[in-house]
Amino acid sequence: DTEVTQTPKHLVMGMTNKKSLKCEQHMGHRAMYWYKQKAKKPPELMFVYSYEKLSINESVPSRFSPECPNSSLLNLHLHALQPEDSALYLCASTLAGGTDTQYFGPGTRLTVL
Amino acid sequence: KNEVEQSPQNLTAQEGEFITINCSYSVGISALHWLQQHPGGGIVSLFMLSSGKKKHGRLIATINIQEKHSSLHITASHPRDSAVYICAVMDDKIIFGKGTRLHILP
Repeated sequence: DTEVTQTPKHLVMGMTNKKSLKCEQHMGHRAMYWYKQKAKKPPELMFVYSYEKLSINESVPSRFSPECPNSSLLNLHLHALQPEDSALYLCASTLAGGTDTQYFGPGTRLTVL
Repeated sequence: KNEVEQSPQNLTAQEGEFITINCSYSVGISALHWLQQHPGGGIVSLFMLSSGKKKHGRLIATINIQEKHSSLHITASHPRDSAVYICAVMDDKIIFGKGTRLHILP
């Protein structure tokens, strides 16, 4: 199984809603990543978890809250988002981080109304 | 100046043509990724290189560490190759190029 899955595929939410994005991999990877990608732009790194601990937070606003409950799961909790947060949210994983090959999920396309 | 520059930004070619996409970078790296992103979002890692050349099917990637340059070649291009190709360099963090939008006409 060389797949990273993400749910939901699409999400529409209001600015007062609370929602969560989910990412899952069963490759035994110990590093997991959240990226945000706006249209026609490259992905921007948001968070990195290494061995279930948050290792990198790229100054992401607190309305985005990551969680890594176990080595296979990565969540991104969303609260009080702004319309400019509408984007494609990509999850990726690597065996141990560093320069290992990144395996990307299909992304969740988020629209904030 | 961007740390990772890709060229061209957009490329339209006829089916069967040989395609070259270039990536130049200005930082020290330990590896370079070529990624493919189809409309709809999913990203596929094509190659990870730290030296030399790699080939997979019709795709070839090369890197020259001294010149800080990498190329991605597609032989016998096909409409299904139409996608955005992204170069990403890695050292202590990953830095993405802006991507090359490739459109192969049947």
